[in-house]
Amino acid sequence: DQQVKQNSPSLSVQEGRISILNCDYTNSMFDYFLWYKKYPAEGPTFLISISSIKDKNEDGRFTVFLNKSAKHLSLHIVPSQPGDSAVYFCAASGGTYKYIFGTGTRLKVLA
Amino acid sequence: DTAVSQTPKYLVTQMGNDKSIKCEQNLGHDTMYWYKQDSKKFLKIMFSYNNKELIINETVPNRFSPKSPDKAHLNLHINSLELGDSAVYFCASSQEPRGSYEQYFGPGTRLTVT
Repeated sequence: DQQVKQNSPSLSVQEGRISILNCDYTNSMFDYFLWYKKYPAEGPTFLISISSIKDKNEDGRFTVFLNKSAKHLSLHIVPSQPGDSAVYFCAASGGTYKYIFGTGTRLKVLA
Repeated sequence: DTAVSQTPKYLVTQMGNDKSIKCEQNLGHDTMYWYKQDSKKFLKIMFSYNNKELIINETVPNRFSPKSPDKAHLNLHINSLELGDSAVYFCASSQEPRGSYEQYFGPGTRLTVT
């Protein structure tokens, strides 16, 4: 039972445009959400997070939106750059010490 | 200066062998983790230690045994390796075990069992 789902395995976007990566979850106990970026042959690196008491968090070109009623979060990257090409994982945590990760979305930013 | 390091980066071995993967963090974090990323790219937690005490032990075969000699190190020993153990194993650390603290990952160890 996959509690955190990223239904789009891949996404291609033109440089300078907006990239929107989506994530859905099923467990209403989740209260903290994170996005990680992963380049090939490297470990995931933390990008941005959001607490369930907020619906938006912004950090430079990256914004995460949380819709608790829909159990949905999204990561917006504006403007997208070729260096943003990577696999993006969303992760959720709540009530326990562990994170549940999604399966990732591969973003390709075309120059 | 690498924050979370793992050795080896690649490990190729035969079925039935015993192998270890080492992890060290120099961030001063209290909590360390082992994750397994399988061929379907699922990143699943296996174990977590906080101040050298085991706090998460997912449904993992008992052939896998973590050992934390101190807060900065968490090693993973695997006995009687099987083909299905082939995966990338990531070590991670965080300041505290609570979900609001992001985790810092090592570069991964690609284990191939033949």
